[in-house]
Formats: sequence, structure tokens, C-alpha cells
Amino acid sequence: DIQMTQSPSSLSASVGDRVTITCRASQTITNYLNWYQQKPGKAPKLLIYAASSLQSGVPSRFSGSGSGTDFTLTISSLEPEDFATYYCQQSYSTLRTFGQGTKVESK
Amino acid sequence: QVQLQESGPGLVKPSETLSVTCTVSGDSISDSFWSWIRQPPGKGLEWIGYIYYSGSTNYNPSLKSRVTISVDTSKNQVSLKLSSVTAADTAVYYCARDPESIDAFDIWGQGTLVTVSS
Repeated sequence: DIQMTQSPSSLSASVGDRVTITCRASQTITNYLNWYQQKPGKAPKLLIYAASSLQSGVPSRFSGSGSGTDFTLTISSLEPEDFATYYCQQSYSTLRTFGQGTKVESK
Repeated sequence: QVQLQESGPGLVKPSETLSVTCTVSGDSISDSFWSWIRQPPGKGLEWIGYIYYSGSTNYNPSLKSRVTISVDTSKNQVSLKLSSVTAADTAVYYCARDPESIDAFDIWGQGTLVTVSS
């Protein structure tokens, strides 16, 4: 299995802050890395696919970067609706795996 | 607009088989892979497996011995069966579209909570 490790597990931030979440794969996954946002009681929502491609309808304050084993999700200026849990997920292997999640909380 | 709707029993007894169905509207089931993903209460996401409309499947090895995913193209439905369930299988079960073009879960159902308890 390809293990996905996110850091931090949680963070506290304020509206307007720049937020960065990292995701590391246990082996190279080239750019087969996706990011999701999940709010309480809701299904996850795709934000970024193929490491850096913004899903249609997702605000441009979200961006993704990285390749190989190390990836980053950045929120350039945090909005109130961005407080949520974020997951990375690899699609390099036919056995899809997710990171453990990063909870973004209000400071 | 593509929509996915899961339906399930809500409560299943230990050792029995969990069955959940996903009905797809606004899209042909023949155009994508379709995955099942679950989330135990308060925990992270676990991919269960996927199916292509042709019937080709791929399962998470940790669940493979107990999982069957099937497709009914006439009804535009994807189904999940998980046998010999225990309390550890209590989770929200999601279906999601997994198009080859992006290799990501771009559309999700709202999820259905299945509790395993006697």
C-alpha cells in the first residue's frame, strides 16, 4: 500500500491567513495526488486533482503543488467557509489511499 | 447535473451482510469508474473498491474477502455488499464517480450511515 501522511493533523488560523497543508507519499506517485475538503455531516468535495489542477467551480484561493512524494495544498487567504477538514488522496496505485486528514480550525 | 443517491438499511446485525445501493442520475453509468468509500464516525476515509460499467472490479485487499461491488446498467445503479460485518464496519458509506479523465472522485453521494449492532 502507498501510505499518505498529512501534516499537521490540525491547525488554528484566522480569516485572511495563508494556510499550507502538506502531504507525503511513502513512494513516488508522480502527480497522481488529489485534495478534498470535508465539512461536518457532508460528503468530501474535490478541490484539486493531478496535484495542481483546480476543479471546476473551486475558488482560485485554493492551489496545489508538488510531484513525486511531496505535495502541498495552499489556501492563499482563508475565508470563513474554509474551516473544514482536508484530505489528500493518491490515485497512482489501483489501491486508492487517503491521508489521515488535516482539520483547519478557527483561532 | 450529476447526482448520486445512496440507500441502505441503516442497521445491520453482526455477522450479516450489509447492502447499499447508489443510484446515478444525470450521467450514464457507462462513462466512468464508480467507487465506494467509507468513513467510520469521527475518523478518516477508507476506499473500499471500484467497478467499471463492464463489470471489472478492484477491491481494497483489506476488505477483498468480504466485498462485492456490482453494477446494473439498466437501472443506472451501483451496489455494495459487505459480508460478515462487525461493529468495526459501522460507517457512513459513500459512492463516488471516478472518471478516468482525472483519476479523482469528482462527484459524491450524500452518504448513508450503516450501524452494525445487535
